[in-house]
Amino acid sequence: SQQGEEDPQALSIQEGENATMNCSYKTSINNLQWYRQNSGRGLVHLILIRSNEREKHSGRLRVTLDTSKKSSSLLITASRAADTASYFCATDGAQKLVFGQGTRLTINP
Amino acid sequence: DTGVSQDPRHKITKRGQNVTFRCDPISEHNRLYWYRQTLGQGPEFLTYFQNEAQLEKSRLLSDRFSAERPKGSFSTLEIQRTEQGDSAMYLCASSPGTGGWTEAFFGQGTRLTVV
Repeated sequence: SQQGEEDPQALSIQEGENATMNCSYKTSINNLQWYRQNSGRGLVHLILIRSNEREKHSGRLRVTLDTSKKSSSLLITASRAADTASYFCATDGAQKLVFGQGTRLTINP
Repeated sequence: DTGVSQDPRHKITKRGQNVTFRCDPISEHNRLYWYRQTLGQGPEFLTYFQNEAQLEKSRLLSDRFSAERPKGSFSTLEIQRTEQGDSAMYLCASSPGTGGWTEAFFGQGTRLTVV
């Protein structure tokens, strides 16, 4: 079963806009990770946030974590066409790395 | 080191046949994972190894699935008596360390089609 649930399932925005996607999970965690997957390809790690961190930045990415609500958000600023992909959160709360269903992000030129 | 390598990239097989996939992790990575992914879904956990030990196997896996990681290096995933429902992308990933769950590096996957 999936540990994380992403919301929305699909998101379509114009190039240059910001994209926000959310992840909720069920059990306590040590860390939460976000991955990107281009169509038909393997997953690429984007960022890891530990349970004692509340916010983390990497380039145009900003991740927040609220352990009291068991939720995380991924913000991509100034989106580009190349950001079109599926985005997954992954948690380690079940003693293994478990992925959510993903958010399909489409950036329109 | 060129990352996690999976072979073959694509496999078409007839129902009832056995198939075997190979994964070569990044050198010195202790952990190796297998996931299955169907269209529009997230990766589903199948099993993982810590060195050569298989520490957990998903209840999703029937007895037709088996995985090995001899000598803690490459890994194989075998599916016996394939069924159409086995059609999916099979992803392998590896990560370093023996402590907490850190960044996992994924291969490009093996796409299995059972006809």
